[in-house]
Amino acid sequence: SYELTQSPSVSVSPGQTARITCSADALTTQYAYWYRQTPGQAPVLLIYQDTERPSGIPERFSGSSSGTTVTLTISGVQAEDEADYYCQSADSSGTYVEFGGGTKLTVL
Amino acid sequence: EVRLVQSGAEVKKPGESLKISCKGSGYTFPSYWVGWVRQMPGKGLEWMGFIYPGDSETRFESDVRYSPSFQGQVTISADKSINTAFLQWSSLKASDTAIYYCARRGIAAAFDSWGQGTLVTVSS
Repeated sequence: SYELTQSPSVSVSPGQTARITCSADALTTQYAYWYRQTPGQAPVLLIYQDTERPSGIPERFSGSSSGTTVTLTISGVQAEDEADYYCQSADSSGTYVEFGGGTKLTVL
Repeated sequence: EVRLVQSGAEVKKPGESLKISCKGSGYTFPSYWVGWVRQMPGKGLEWMGFIYPGDSETRFESDVRYSPSFQGQVTISADKSINTAFLQWSSLKASDTAIYYCARRGIAAAFDSWGQGTLVTVSS
């Protein structure tokens, strides 16, 4: 297996921009996905195929990719964005799924 | 509307067996992979494996893939006749205490719809 590396925590003030990164060699060939999980709730898909937003996800959530790192950007952070964010991808063969360790976003 | 509804919380003793379920609705159940994800108390998400129930119209056979970390520890199965996927243990351990989520692998291979989670508590 391989690891997707995320920073454990990110803190921003309301209205600012939060950037959460996820790194792995396999990200040069495999798509990344982002999920948000609030306490006591199931994860929700935010971004798929590095940059695409499912219907119903606000435009202030965006994804980008550069080399071995993908980034989830949350513009105009709101208090309700305080949650755990997970990246997910597959190994280089595309067979096995992996989740990053998660990043806790704190809104100050 | 795509929905995945999981079976209720379970409290078991070490060594007991267990089978939890995940019923899909609002989509063609046999045509999509369904994954299982573990979340231990206070920890992150761990992919356990997924199953493709199999679609006779497209002639794709049923298939199951396991994470190396869970291979041999659990069994994933599905019953297309009732649109339900299952996760089972033959002998539970205290370390199996966790919330278990099922999720559909839908749009662009993303887990685009999730069940509400099943809390499994294993304690003597």
